Amino acid sequence: DGGITQSPKYLFRKEGQNVTLSCEQNLNHDAMYWYRQDPGQGLRLIYYSQIVNDFQKGDIAEGYSVSREKKESFPLTVTSAQKNPTAFYLCASSIVGQGSYEQYFGPGTRLTVT
Amino acid sequence: DQQVKQNSPSLSVQEGRISILNCDYTNSMFDYFLWYKKYPAEGPTFLISISSIKDKNEDGRFTVFLNKSAKHLSLHIVPSQPGDSAVYFCAASRSTGGFKTIFGAGTRLFVKA
Repeated sequence: DGGITQSPKYLFRKEGQNVTLSCEQNLNHDAMYWYRQDPGQGLRLIYYSQIVNDFQKGDIAEGYSVSREKKESFPLTVTSAQKNPTAFYLCASSIVGQGSYEQYFGPGTRLTVT
Repeated sequence: DQQVKQNSPSLSVQEGRISILNCDYTNSMFDYFLWYKKYPAEGPTFLISISSIKDKNEDGRFTVFLNKSAKHLSLHIVPSQPGDSAVYFCAASRSTGGFKTIFGAGTRLFVKA
């Protein structure tokens, strides 16, 4: 049963604390992505990775960090430097090749920082 | 600068009728377009896509139309069903030059029984 898992579904943190969101996929996809969704806005790209041990900043990478040590895993750390961390975070994956391909999304993690 | 725009935040349609969701884009370099469907508290799921070499792609009740000269695409759902009630995101990408996909803000569709 292939897919993407994100945990936890809901996460609460105090301001000033770093927090790491988990994303795992068993689809054998090379590319993985992190998006953030805010009310009334589309999905905005935070970071993406096309291959293990390599990743690139997206449009809103400030205050976030990632790692890609394994093909299956792409954890996102929300640091205390992120000014507005409360949001719905989505992880996705896709195949890599010539052309464009649809992305497969996880169920998301809703992070609330107070 | 919103490169992909969905100007209607919401749309209400009677069950059995046609739902038409619209999307405009500004970057003429986009050559691959996708629609995703999203239920509350879940991740988006891929619905249908179209390459810029086509002007229409059909999959069951879902059809996407692309008008390159107007930089406009639309998703038609016929007939609409209550289970289609969700948020629909339009997305655009380039088949060369990277892996960035740009998403619109979404349109919430309500299908009334």
